Amino acid sequence: EPEVTQTPSHQVTQMGQEVILRCVPISNHLYFYWYRQILGQKVEFLVSFYNNEISEKSEIFDDQFSVERPDGSNFTLKIRSTKLEDSAMYFCASRGDSYGYTFGSGTRLTVV
Amino acid sequence: RKEVEQDPGPFNVPEGATVAFNCTYSNSASQSFFWYRQDCRKEPKLLMSVYSSGNEDGRFTAQLNRASQYISLLIRDSKLSDSATYLCVVNTAGSQGNLIFGKGTKLSVKP
Repeated sequence: EPEVTQTPSHQVTQMGQEVILRCVPISNHLYFYWYRQILGQKVEFLVSFYNNEISEKSEIFDDQFSVERPDGSNFTLKIRSTKLEDSAMYFCASRGDSYGYTFGSGTRLTVV
Repeated sequence: RKEVEQDPGPFNVPEGATVAFNCTYSNSASQSFFWYRQDCRKEPKLLMSVYSSGNEDGRFTAQLNRASQYISLLIRDSKLSDSATYLCVVNTAGSQGNLIFGKGTKLSVKP
């Protein structure tokens, strides 16, 4: 079964550092997403990406965040200057024409 | 006002029990509805979509009441492996398919 791959599985970074979270969506999918889940909280939408541009973003997705699809396969989330409150599980997801989402197994980001 | 609201539980039930989860959503223009399952520190996985006519998949039955903005999930003959958090999820109208998650209801099935 096709899957969404995320790396790394766990990233520890110092406050103020830049991090890049990587995702390889399913190859024939068209829509790509980042969600995050702070420990003990609900899964929250960050950003959606379609046709090589951001189609929608939430209030959480401020100027510190950016996304890229640099080479047609990878889909990255960059946090420019991490804060303690950015510590969370970050999930990448992709979908084709239907509403069938596939989530990656996530990257646990710990900011210290 | 919370967009998707669920009873957080936990629901502690014996094997073989029937358990029901409820969910309400605030946006009346919501178009698609789902139940996801999430194991501890894992990604959400689609359990089933929810259709207006109600639908069943083995031991799982989902119902949608658009007038009341209410979604339910019934699990019959609970198994130990059903222990997880069950997430009520809504797709908001007019978006690129972005999902709005409830906080989840935790189920623990005991032997």
